[in-house]
Amino acid sequence: DQQVKQNSPSLSVQEGRISILNCDYTNSMFDYFLWYKKYPAEGPTFLISISSIKDKNEDGRFTVFLNKSAKHLSLHIVPSQPGDSAVYFCAARTDKLIFGTGTRLQVFP
Amino acid sequence: ETGVTQTPRHLVMGMTNKKSLKCEQHLGHNAMYWYKQSAKKPLELMFVYSLEERVENNSVPSRFSPECPNSSHLFLHLHTLQPEDSALYLCASSYSLAGAYEQYFGPGTRLTVT
Repeated sequence: DQQVKQNSPSLSVQEGRISILNCDYTNSMFDYFLWYKKYPAEGPTFLISISSIKDKNEDGRFTVFLNKSAKHLSLHIVPSQPGDSAVYFCAARTDKLIFGTGTRLQVFP
Repeated sequence: ETGVTQTPRHLVMGMTNKKSLKCEQHLGHNAMYWYKQSAKKPLELMFVYSLEERVENNSVPSRFSPECPNSSHLFLHLHTLQPEDSALYLCASSYSLAGAYEQYFGPGTRLTVT
């Protein structure tokens, strides 16, 4: 049973617009949530995180929102750039990281 | 070299072969991890080492055998694999298990079992 779900396998967004990537989880014991970004032929790289005691964390063009009542996490990228095209993994932590299956974001000109 | 490196980047092996994957981290971290990524599946944690001691083994078949000789190096020894073991194998490290939320990944080894 998947504890972390990314139900959209892909997303296509025009450059300059907002990209919204979503993630749902089932385990209320998760204390930290993270987003990783992965380019082809590279390992995932840490992007941004949020503690379960917060509902928003912002870092430049990237903002992560946490809705604990809905067990929902989202990553907003604004404005989207072609270099943001990658696979984005949501992850959640108890004593280890549990990853989602990823969403492939394509930003087109 | 900086960050986390993995060799080889690609490996093709038969089911009767024995091979090893190598991971090296140059970040001064104390925890290291092996993950498996199969197509359309989440990253699956296989093994965790903290200060060279294995602290987690996620029900991984014995045909996968990890080794951590020191805090900078991690190996995954492979023998008598099955075609379903074909996947991307990722190594990661973190400062400590408590800091496991910020793991640094290597580029992975793409393994094909024929």
